[in-house]
Amino acid sequence: SQQGEEDPQALSIQEGENATMNCSYKTSINNLQWYRQNSGRGLVHLILIRSNEREKHSGRLRVTLDTSKKSSSLLITASRAADTASYFCATGGNAGNMLTFGGGTRLMVKP
Amino acid sequence: GAVVSQHPSRVICKSGTSVKIECRSLDFQATTMFWYRQFPKQSLMLMATSNEGSKATYEQGVEKDKFLINHASLTLSTLTVTSAHPEDSSFYICSAPGTTQETQYFGPGTRLLVL
Repeated sequence: SQQGEEDPQALSIQEGENATMNCSYKTSINNLQWYRQNSGRGLVHLILIRSNEREKHSGRLRVTLDTSKKSSSLLITASRAADTASYFCATGGNAGNMLTFGGGTRLMVKP
Repeated sequence: GAVVSQHPSRVICKSGTSVKIECRSLDFQATTMFWYRQFPKQSLMLMATSNEGSKATYEQGVEKDKFLINHASLTLSTLTVTSAHPEDSSFYICSAPGTTQETQYFGPGTRLLVL
């Protein structure tokens, strides 16, 4: 079953703007990961944040994790049309590295 | 980086037939692989965990006799959709854990359309 919700479900912005996506989860986690999926394709791993970390950066990506609120956010700065895709958060729990995915956010960046 | 391939990428079949989907880890070994199903505009739902040399572990609600999984080698897992019906039409994606055992490498997916 899905771990949680992502918010918003869909987001449309202009190129150059920042995009923020939120993810909430229900159970305790070892880590939380963000993946990107282009339409009809497989998933590409973007970034992983561990349960003892609060913030992580990778290029134009910034991820935060609040374990007390069981939530995470993904910020994409200076968005580009090529960032158009669906973004999923996924949690890795104690059951090894099985991933449980959130509902996803469909991001459209207009040129 | 590690690469996972899937074959075929797209398949159309008649209702009642069986379809086999292959998932291969190309440059690394995977004792465990995961099979997901994704309906249009929805998230990935884990179907089963494929274990090399032993039986697969199925998620609740997934029929093991309908979705046969075989993990005969350290680089290949297969998912066979038996007696496929239109409601089985979906995007099937496999993944394998990376060396850190935290992240996963995903195949490009197989789009199944059952007529």
